[in-house]
Amino acid sequence: DAKTTQPNSMESNEEEPVHLPCNHSTISGTDYIHWYRQLPSQGPEYVIHGLTSNVNNRMASLAIAEDRKSSTLILHRATLRDAAVYYCIRSNAGGTSYGKLTFGQGTILTVHP
Amino acid sequence: DAGVIQSPRHEVTEMGQEVTLRCKPISGHDYLFWYRQTMMRGLELLIYFNNNVPIDDSGMPEDRFSAKMPNASFSTLKIQPSEPRDSAVYFCASSLRPPNQPQHFGDGTRLSIL
Repeated sequence: DAKTTQPNSMESNEEEPVHLPCNHSTISGTDYIHWYRQLPSQGPEYVIHGLTSNVNNRMASLAIAEDRKSSTLILHRATLRDAAVYYCIRSNAGGTSYGKLTFGQGTILTVHP
Repeated sequence: DAGVIQSPRHEVTEMGQEVTLRCKPISGHDYLFWYRQTMMRGLELLIYFNNNVPIDDSGMPEDRFSAKMPNASFSTLKIQPSEPRDSAVYFCASSLRPPNQPQHFGDGTRLSIL
């Protein structure tokens, strides 16, 4: 069971940066860290993923701790459209859990105008 | 590019009826996943396929549920007979080789069993 720990909810103001933390203290060397988000009444949407190094894309940045036991999703300037549930997920590259995404409860992000 | 296409978007039917949910993955994707989302249990993986072959169906709740992938561009999830507790949103997703490739989700089918 690929477990991660996230805060239940966070709040931010529009146009400010948002740092969403995730703890995955039992991560194995072959586990990728994925972030997805789900807007109301929509399917989950891929945000970013990484293995060891920090990653950047057009949506966000992913900062992975050196020991890989935690990571932080960074939204550089929050907009109202970023209000969603954010899921941090470990995905294994081997074994019986190969490629599976196990969604937890996620973090509900509220963005205030 | 067309994303993952699911149909129907909404389904309301009576208990005991057969329900068939359909999914068309993104062209070229060789992995297909079926998920179910409820308030109580969150988002759960039911089954996934690789190259049209079921790889892991450990999340399928019981024998009333079955899934097929007759070809690379089509999959079905069938519930027979349906029960009220099957009411949920069912999502289909597809990807290239995980876990280093993201999964792309459809908009889901909202199923209500009366």
